Amino acid sequence: EAGVAQSPRYKIIEKRQSVAFWCNPISGHATLYWYQQILGQGPKLLIQFQNNGVVDDSQLPKDRFSAERLKGVDSTLKIQPAKLEDSAVYLCASSFWGTNVLTFGAGSRLTVL
Amino acid sequence: GQNIDQPTEMTATEGAIVQINCTYQTSGFNGLFWYQQHAGEAPTFLSYNVLDGLEEKGRFSSFLSRSKGYSYLLLKELQMKDSASYLCAVMDSNYQLIWGAGTKLIIKP
Repeated sequence: EAGVAQSPRYKIIEKRQSVAFWCNPISGHATLYWYQQILGQGPKLLIQFQNNGVVDDSQLPKDRFSAERLKGVDSTLKIQPAKLEDSAVYLCASSFWGTNVLTFGAGSRLTVL
Repeated sequence: GQNIDQPTEMTATEGAIVQINCTYQTSGFNGLFWYQQHAGEAPTFLSYNVLDGLEEKGRFSSFLSRSKGYSYLLLKELQMKDSASYLCAVMDSNYQLIWGAGTKLIIKP
């Protein structure tokens, strides 16, 4: 089966610019997650979707980050404006509803200068 | 607060055995996961424990003691390709995953 697709793989921007990341989960996976992983740290959940509804966005910095999953399939994570501390890998993961095992995409590495 | 502790880095020799420990303090418990993450790649699922005891899967085994808030990942017959970070994660009472910072395992010939 195809894995979780993410793009772009790498992005370099100046602070205060905006960026968007795209994720297409495994077909049939109702649950989609966006994680932020800073070098040397574990993943930090930004937002979790169940189909097109938000389950948890308590750690999403809503003043600058936004995410949507309009049709319950692919999703977009946007950062506007970016700060230096947003430099990280943004991981998308998906799972079947009711299962606990996540399948991750390869990630999008963001560098903010 | 919720907390997952793992050693930052470990070194082992090719062909040997290594044990990576994980201790946790979480609001409730609905299972513990181990993921492997090679540098620059996505985490991949290794094991899931929800009951006490040892789960064996080939060269990898994972142990859980819920009363002690403790787990370990045991890797046998180490190979160079096992050089990676190993992430421990606990699912809390709200079915949210709490992640450790990961243990970087370095394998030497």
